Amino acid sequence: AQSVTQPDIHITVSEGASLELRCNYSYGATPYLFWYVQSPGQGLQLLLKYFSGDTLVQGIKGFEAEFKRSQSSFNLRKPSVHWSDAAEYFCAVGNNDMRFGAGTRLTVKP
Amino acid sequence: DAGVIQSPRHEVTEMGQEVTLRCKPISGHDYLFWYRQTMMRGLELLIYFNNNVPIDDSGMPEDRFSAKMPNASFSTLKIQPSEPRDSAVYFCASSWAGMTTEAFFGQGTRLTVV
Repeated sequence: AQSVTQPDIHITVSEGASLELRCNYSYGATPYLFWYVQSPGQGLQLLLKYFSGDTLVQGIKGFEAEFKRSQSSFNLRKPSVHWSDAAEYFCAVGNNDMRFGAGTRLTVKP
Repeated sequence: DAGVIQSPRHEVTEMGQEVTLRCKPISGHDYLFWYRQTMMRGLELLIYFNNNVPIDDSGMPEDRFSAKMPNASFSTLKIQPSEPRDSAVYFCASSWAGMTTEAFFGQGTRLTVV
């Protein structure tokens, strides 16, 4: 069965620092992988997705993610975090039957 | 386009009452998804439609839950009778080719059953 694990429930980083959010998945075949962001009281917005090809995927807002098949991981990164990046981040796997991880809440310190 | 529109934004109801959540997808999108978000279970896919036809409803928790899509521009999620454990935020999302393209989410309906 497909599943997604986000090991970190809450992460705090200083503004300007680099960020890495972890995501591990379990899937029977080559997965479709996604990262979404949710601001308070809002719906989810797609940051980036991976289907095939280059394992380093660029997304919106300066985010990128790297697919590592050997580690079953799809970690999200950003070189320099901005205060506006504070939100909840969700990793997801699948196709139309998409499964979401539990989410990682990001707090940005001034 | 105004995006995916859900109504109401907030709903408070008493246990045992019928609740109907509404969703208007983005025009031209042929997939519609209903999700439920809770602290305990995170985001769960309840059901999705393609061209107004339900494709997979395996995520619908119980027979108390039902969803319809009578036309391309409207869908409902109904809970009858409602229970306190149904309290959650319910999201509707739409896309033009499944979740492999970008799915656009509504702002959600926060349901509280007392």
